[in-house]
Amino acid sequence: ETGVTQSPTHLIKTRGQQVTLRCSSQSGHNTVSWYQQALGQGPQFIFQYYREEENGRGNFPPRFSGLQFPNYSSELNVNALELDDSALYLCASSRPGSEQYFGPGTRLTVT
Amino acid sequence: QQQVKQSPQSLIVQKGGISIINCAYENTAFDYFPWYQQFPGKGPALLIAIRPDVSEKKEGRFTISFNKSAKQFSLHIMDSQPGDSATYFCAATGHQNTGNQFYFGTGTSLTVIP
Repeated sequence: ETGVTQSPTHLIKTRGQQVTLRCSSQSGHNTVSWYQQALGQGPQFIFQYYREEENGRGNFPPRFSGLQFPNYSSELNVNALELDDSALYLCASSRPGSEQYFGPGTRLTVT
Repeated sequence: QQQVKQSPQSLIVQKGGISIINCAYENTAFDYFPWYQQFPGKGPALLIAIRPDVSEKKEGRFTISFNKSAKQFSLHIMDSQPGDSATYFCAATGHQNTGNQFYFGTGTSLTVIP
């Protein structure tokens, strides 16, 4: 186990709704990255937070947003959910420039 | 555009055999190349990683071979075991120039037959 926790484990939402996913980083890690992993695909980078500021963003629309808190935990918010948003959402924590450690993920299903 | 290309998509190996998975990249700014193992319902777990200043790294039954001029790297699993059956992802990042973003391959589903 990596010490990175995510909640909830599973989530079912309806198209158009909003969702918030949570991540607690490993002790000593001040950087959190979020990834979307569609079924049968590799993780795709959404964005990264370092010391509460967004520190890089992948090719995702603005309806994907995030926060990082002073204790380095983080939230991923997705507005106006679409069917294609159904995926495993992974959080990874790290120190800058070092290896990332992934949590178990949140499985989001949009119906 | 896929920054890291991985092959094969799936692989079936007999117990005790060698599993080989290949990856190729284009961005010369990449300077760290990890391999991850993922079991169903779990997040990816770091298996082994290499930097481009060495051509090979070995940890137990797992070896990364790295060819900087060809921009290719591969994972070799020696004496493959049924417990190695999982999906394997290669990844790449360039900590100085790519915002710490890790780019992942599309994955290889490995099945080791007893």
